[in-house]
Amino acid sequence: DTGVSQNPRHKITKRGQNVTFRCDPISEHNRLYWYRQTLGQGPEFLTYFQNEAQLEKSRLLSDRFSAERPKGSFSTLEIQRTEQGDSAMYLCASSLNKNRNLRSYEQYFGPGTRLTVT
Amino acid sequence: QQQVKQSPQSLIVQKGGISIINCAYENTAFDYFPWYQQFPGKGPALLIAIRPDVSEKKEGRFTISFNKSAKQFSLHIMDSQPGDSATYFCAAIQSGAGSYQLTFGKGTKLSVIP
Repeated sequence: DTGVSQNPRHKITKRGQNVTFRCDPISEHNRLYWYRQTLGQGPEFLTYFQNEAQLEKSRLLSDRFSAERPKGSFSTLEIQRTEQGDSAMYLCASSLNKNRNLRSYEQYFGPGTRLTVT
Repeated sequence: QQQVKQSPQSLIVQKGGISIINCAYENTAFDYFPWYQQFPGKGPALLIAIRPDVSEKKEGRFTISFNKSAKQFSLHIMDSQPGDSATYFCAAIQSGAGSYQLTFGKGTKLSVIP
């Protein structure tokens, strides 16, 4: 069990550029979540996948954001035409959702990707 | 509308003391209440969690107290150590909504001084 990994760890980009982040969940986990955390705040839910299906998107996820999880393994989060307000830590978490048991509630986070838009 | 309210925003405790962080929630459909610990530059790490049918849960130096009628829960860190200095987040999950998404409080920055 190597934990959740995210790449890159840091990304600096200019306003208007596109960026893509990658998340590799814990191998047997079927659910993958994306959260956004700004300075001094708790993480906020963006979207989640059950296997390869994207089942819910937050109102925070504008049409400039798109997420994929091909083959139900790793996931990518792309932000198009970045804005300064997109500067944040983007966190990925995974869980094993099965039979609504207690483990279904346990989400394990990666180290995050810190995005700075200049 | 903030669904999980956390206090205090920051806390300074002497080594060996008890750290207490409080949270209150509004949504009675929440059915799982975890606490996460986050160090600078790291992702949140699951610390301890409780279901609403239990009033207290203890794991080592960490205890969650849960008051369902008051819609409040708290984290107690006994014998606080400098290594406990981190930001702590309470959270809640409403499994009935299907997504099991976490709703977080704003966090408490704990500093344990020697």
